[in-house]
This record gives sequence, structure tokens and C-alpha cells, in this order.
Amino acid sequence: GAVVSQHPSRVICKSGTSVKIECRSLDFQATTMFWYRQFPKKSLMLMATSNEGSKATYEQGVEKDKFLINHASLTLSTLTVTSAHPEDSSFYICSAEPSNTEAFFGQGTRLTVV
Amino acid sequence: EDQVTQSPEALRLQEGESSSLNCSYTVSGLRGLFWYRQDPGKGPEFLFTLYSAGEEKEKERLKATLTKKESFLHITAPKPEDSATYLCAVQAYTDKLIFGTGTRLQVFP
Repeated sequence: GAVVSQHPSRVICKSGTSVKIECRSLDFQATTMFWYRQFPKKSLMLMATSNEGSKATYEQGVEKDKFLINHASLTLSTLTVTSAHPEDSSFYICSAEPSNTEAFFGQGTRLTVV
Repeated sequence: EDQVTQSPEALRLQEGESSSLNCSYTVSGLRGLFWYRQDPGKGPEFLFTLYSAGEEKEKERLKATLTKKESFLHITAPKPEDSATYLCAVQAYTDKLIFGTGTRLQVFP
């Protein structure tokens, strides 16, 4: 299957700082990537759809100024959590669909804000 | 409203004890139903896509089936390495994936 790589896998940051998470499609081009958030023992919740060369589309209730998304190339999307607070601590996962069929996911990033 | 419900929430099996996981869904226009496996601290790993009622797919000890209202993931003679959370997701014509909360499977030797 297609490979989606996410980095870093774990990050700890101080309250008030910003953290950038990268999502790369390694063996295909992705005009669209998706960012999810997952709480312990909960479902994946779609945060936003990242579109190459244009603005991301955010789901209802997701603050676009808090979660900045940039999709600068056909193989890279980034999610920046700005002015992070402890309540932003979570597991963030990206995905991409190589042929508009099944989605392939990155390894996930465990963010802990202290 | 599009919705996915998985049951049971957790399942404990003895090695070799076959069972089934359920995924019930309501969606306005189903494009596809997906099964994923997720290990702790990892992203979901793609297993199957089902597109129409009556469709079945198999992979090793796993078999997925689809009706108009639900999907089953049958696990035959499971092994401890099958222990994971199994996620079901549906994709409507909005292209968004809607996930269930998953079934945490534990297989004991």
C-alpha cells in the first residue's frame, strides 16, 4: 500500500509555544490530505482538509487560527498548533488517498503540552 | 446525520476462538466502507474497502462483509498478534471519512 510518513511521532512542548507536525506522501502525489485528532479510546475526528495550493477547509468547531495548515507541495502538508495549551494535548494523525479510494494514514503524532 | 456505530466496544478471545465485529452505519449515499486496524500509539492501517451490499473481502484470518445497513469483520481462529483496535469508517459523497469508535480486540494464548 501507499506510504504516508508523519513527523515527529512524539513531541513535548511548553504552554504558549507552537509546534509543527509534518505529513508526507512518500510514493504518490496528494492534492488533498486530511488531519485528524484522536482522544484516548475515542474515534478519529476530522479537523480539516488540506488542499495543495489553496486554503484548508476546517470542520465546524475547529479554530483555524489555532491549527494552521499549509499544503505547499503535492507531497507535504503541515499542521502547526499555535500557542499550545494543555487541552491541545492529543494524538494527531494525517491521511492521504493516492487514487481517491482508500485513505492511508501516517504514524500519528503524540503531542503533550506541559 | 451520517453515523457509524461499532460493537462490541471491547472483545476478549481465546486464541483460536472465532468471532465477529459489527459496524452499523447510516449515511446519505455510501461511497465506500473501510476497515482499519490500529495498534496503540500508531496510525490506522488499511485492511479492506467494501463498496456494495453483498460484497466480501478476505485477508488471512479476516473476512469483511457488507449489507445495506451494516458490515461485519469476521476473525477466524485469531492469534495474539491480531490484538488491536479495529476501526470502521464510511465515506459519503462528501468524501469525508466518518469513523466509529472502534472495537478493542484482545486475543489471549
